[in-house]
Amino acid sequence: QVQLVQSGAEVKKPGASVKVSCKASGYIFTSYAIHWLRQAPGQSLEWMGWINAGNGNTKYSQKFQGRVTITRDTSASTAYMELSSLRSEDTAVYYCARGLGIVGSAEYFHHWGQGTLVTVSS
Amino acid sequence: DIVMTQSPDSLAVSLGERATINCKSSQNVLYSSNNKNYLAWYQQKPGQPPKLLIYWASTRESGVPDRFSGSGSGTDFTLTISSLQAEDVAVYYCQQYYTTLAFGQGTKVELK
Repeated sequence: QVQLVQSGAEVKKPGASVKVSCKASGYIFTSYAIHWLRQAPGQSLEWMGWINAGNGNTKYSQKFQGRVTITRDTSASTAYMELSSLRSEDTAVYYCARGLGIVGSAEYFHHWGQGTLVTVSS
Repeated sequence: DIVMTQSPDSLAVSLGERATINCKSSQNVLYSSNNKNYLAWYQQKPGQPPKLLIYWASTRESGVPDRFSGSGSGTDFTLTISSLQAEDVAVYYCQQYYTTLAFGQGTKVELK
């Protein structure tokens, strides 16, 4: 069965960077997109960007452009999301989710990671 | 960007009663070339990721009980729980995937 397992909780200081991983199993990693979304405490979900796990092409939300980098390691079937210049407002649970196919557009999500809490605090 | 607005923000329903959640998009999410509405619904319980319930506005995800149903087209959509069960207490989100993905603010369903 499809599984997405994310790395553990992180505590970072303002101005630092964080890198969250998402290890996929149960399907051919390079045949699907991986999306990253986040959810601040008590808030709704916010889409950050996606990566074509096959060729590594990425697309980011304008809100996070310049601060977020999504990469993948096909040998490890793992996608990564790095967010830089962290501020307190970036405190949130970060989720990876598998796309419907490789393209990454017009997506809803059957499969989600368990979430990774990132806390930004001085 | 398309903005999704849900109503109400919270809802208290007795066991066995109907729950109705509305979702309005600021732009049409019906794609005329395939006549499909690019709208999904999720259920989220505390400490868990969202769970897909409905996609294409009315297609139920495999394994989702048939008391959950979705309807609507264009800009106005509804999620209905026909007979609320205790395990349905959760926050529900709509999501459009017509353009840059966007979610509603959520509707919290509680027991009365």
